[in-house]
Amino acid sequence: KAGVTQTPRYLIKTRGQQVTLSCSPISGHRSVSWYQQTPGQGLQFLFEYFSETQRNKGNFPGRFSGRQFSNSRSEMNVSTLELGDSALYLCASSPEYQETQYFGPGTRLLVL
Amino acid sequence: QKEVEQNSGPLSVPEGAIASLNCTYSDRGSQSFFWYRQYSGKSPELIMSIYSNGDKEDGRFTAQLNKASQYVSLLIRDSQPSDSATYLCAVNNQGGKLIFGQGTELSVKP
Repeated sequence: KAGVTQTPRYLIKTRGQQVTLSCSPISGHRSVSWYQQTPGQGLQFLFEYFSETQRNKGNFPGRFSGRQFSNSRSEMNVSTLELGDSALYLCASSPEYQETQYFGPGTRLLVL
Repeated sequence: QKEVEQNSGPLSVPEGAIASLNCTYSDRGSQSFFWYRQYSGKSPELIMSIYSNGDKEDGRFTAQLNKASQYVSLLIRDSQPSDSATYLCAVNNQGGKLIFGQGTELSVKP
């Protein structure tokens, strides 16, 4: 079974721009979670989607948003990028809500 | 107090030794506990999940859970240089969020 895929793998943006990241879960998995990983803060939960509904949200500003499509694929969007948004963004999928999560390779975002 | 706490390390053990990694959590209602391994520049990879008090063994890995003490540990027997990585403890809290510790860096010396 193919694993979680994320696109793009690397991205360079400038302050003020917006970015959209994509995640395709493992086939059959219905829940998708997003995380931000930085050296200083570690792995921080952004949000979790299940059946196209956001079920949980972390403590991030409203500039961070996401959605899930009927085929379980998910996108996250960051608007008005700040330098501090430079991070590895990880997507994880699980078969059902709140089950074991499996991570994709991540998208490394650099904001200049 | 952080929700999930781990010693950052680095923890250095000789090849063939037992590596012991520890994690404490604050949400007493937490029900699911996970250990992930993350190599430098890579994404986290699931090693073990544990849900009940006691030990759970999988090959060279043993996870231990003590809900009364709010403590989870991971033992790696016969440590190999390839085990050198950062080990992340994750806890599913009552709110349904998966909260990660800062990770413990393990170095296995040949």
